[in-house]
Amino acid sequence: EDQVTQSPEALRLQEGESSSLNCSYTVSGLRGLFWYRQDPGKGPEFLFTLYSAGEEKEKERLKATLTKKESFLHITAPKPEDSATYLCAVQRGGYQKVTFGTGTKLQVIP
Amino acid sequence: GAVVSQHPSRVICKSGTSVKIECRSLDFQATTMFWYRQFPKQSLMLMATSNEGSKATYEQGVEKDKFLINHASLTLSTLTVTSAHPEDSSFYICSARVAGSQETQYFGPGTRLLVL
Repeated sequence: EDQVTQSPEALRLQEGESSSLNCSYTVSGLRGLFWYRQDPGKGPEFLFTLYSAGEEKEKERLKATLTKKESFLHITAPKPEDSATYLCAVQRGGYQKVTFGTGTKLQVIP
Repeated sequence: GAVVSQHPSRVICKSGTSVKIECRSLDFQATTMFWYRQFPKQSLMLMATSNEGSKATYEQGVEKDKFLINHASLTLSTLTVTSAHPEDSSFYICSARVAGSQETQYFGPGTRLLVL
């Protein structure tokens, strides 16, 4: 069974204090690993899709990287508006279903 | 691009009534849509996968007669919670996958259901 574990569960940063969120996964034949951002009371907002180990993608202050066992979401010089829950998910090749982790709740303090 | 809408955004109903939630892909065609349920401080739990023109595939433990899913067109899927009870109160979120794509899902804003 596919598994996704995210750490830490919660992270509190000062504005400008860079850090990384971790997503460890177990899946047979990874088709894609996804990062989403979710604000309270809203649906997840798509950030990145990573397909193979060594791949990196960037968007503003966010950078996602992928290895064969885990993915990191690096946040550089975060701002208060980056506060949200960040979800990681994996999809097995040949399957439509996506398995989500429980998320990391990020709070950025001014 | 890739915008998904849901209606209503929140609904309050009495126990025993049925509630219909609509999920629409606004600027793309979606052959596959997904319905999730999310409890407070928990992640998304897949309820069912909805393919246009065919019956939905339900996850283990999800009652298909209670959660009716219809995917009648390439831009619309509906979830009907039949004979709703307080334990059905939750945040329901749909997502859609672009036709021809096998990966990225785009999510709707969610529907908050409260059953009294």
